[in-house]
Formats: sequence, C-alpha cells, structure tokens
Amino acid sequence: AQTVTQSQPEMSVQEAETVTLSCTYDTSESNYYLFWYKQPPSRQMILVIRQEAYKQQNATENRFSVNFQKAAKSFSLKISDSQLGDTAMYFCAFMKHDPGGTSYGKLTFGQGTILTVHP
Amino acid sequence: DVKVTQSSRYLVKRTGEKVFLECVQDMDHENMFWYRQDPGLGLRLIYFSYDVKMKEKGDIPEGYSVSREKKERFSLILESASTNQTSMYLCASSSQGKGQFFGPGTRLTVL
Repeated sequence: AQTVTQSQPEMSVQEAETVTLSCTYDTSESNYYLFWYKQPPSRQMILVIRQEAYKQQNATENRFSVNFQKAAKSFSLKISDSQLGDTAMYFCAFMKHDPGGTSYGKLTFGQGTILTVHP
Repeated sequence: DVKVTQSSRYLVKRTGEKVFLECVQDMDHENMFWYRQDPGLGLRLIYFSYDVKMKEKGDIPEGYSVSREKKERFSLILESASTNQTSMYLCASSSQGKGQFFGPGTRLTVL
C-alpha cells in the first residue's frame, strides 16, 4: 500500500514571494504518477500539476513547478510570485501506473497543507 | 473543458431519510469516485466504479451504496441518513494516467 505525507499542516507567504510545499510518499511501485491539487475555500478541487515517475524532468505549469526526487520519494511544489488567489488547501496525491490493471485510477492523498497568501 | 457536475451544492436532510447524491461527467471516463471530506481527516474514498454497473468499496463504505447505470452518471445513496454523515461529498472521474477531475462538491447536513 502507498502512503503520502504532507508534514506542513499550514503555511503562509507574502504576495509575490515564493513558497515550497512538501510531500513525501512511500511505495514499492516503480512506475506511478504524482499530482498536486488545489482546493480554494468553498470552491472546486482542481488539478495543478502532474508528474510521471519515469520522467526525469520536473513538471512545470506557469508559476507552479515541482521538485521530484524519486530516490528520496519526495515531491515538493514550488509556487513562484504568489498571488492572493493561490490561497487554498493543497493536496499531494499518488497514483499507481497500472494500465489494464485493477487500480482504476485510484488516488492516495496526503492530509493537505493550508496555504495562506498575505497581501 | 473537462466537466464534472453534482446535483446539489447544499443539501439539508433529516435523520432516517434516504438521500441521493448524483454526479455526471462529460469526459467519457471509465472510472468514477465518491469521497467525503471532513476537517482533519482529509479525503476518504467511499466507493468507486470502473465501468457501468461495476462498483467497489473504498475505505469507508458503511452506510452508503452506489449506482452506475450509465457511464456518465454515478450516484451515491444514503439509505438512512444519520447525523454522522454530515459532510462534504466530492465526486470525481478519471481516465488512466490523467489524474482525477472533481465536481464542485455537495455539502450535506443531516439534522
């Protein structure tokens, strides 16, 4: 079974600064996907960024980038030039790569990190 | 754009009532999921479905059932609602490797 740990229950950052959210995971799988999701207050959960474990290159989506360290089983999210709209709960999630198998796209989530961006 | 919709944003029911929460996706995804989200407990998987009429229990299926008669629609049923089922319910759908796409959530209050 997989586990995902987000060790920072809450974080805060000033607008325009950079913040890094931590995520570690434990798995015996060699091929998998990792995700960061964002859930703004009272709003829909959206997918921020996706990383395929067999790809060395870290994923980037505009101001969001990851630092994927496969050997260390670490998957941190860096938010550059933080904006007030980045205030949200952020979830790290793991999915086994299992084409035709029985995992059915199930995700294992971390407990979440509440990020507050201050003006 | 990917879209997952849920039948209600807010719902108030009485103890013992039968409650239906519906979820519809327009992405032709095979897999659909129901979660509940509670403060301090994160997201917990109730049930999921990997095909029409196929379902599997998640981590906390007790007190819930599901129905998937059509590929795009996945319903969560509370046979006899109880106060401890007051929660935020999230539906999601996925296709292999792409991650899950979530609906807006239904905040259910059972009085």
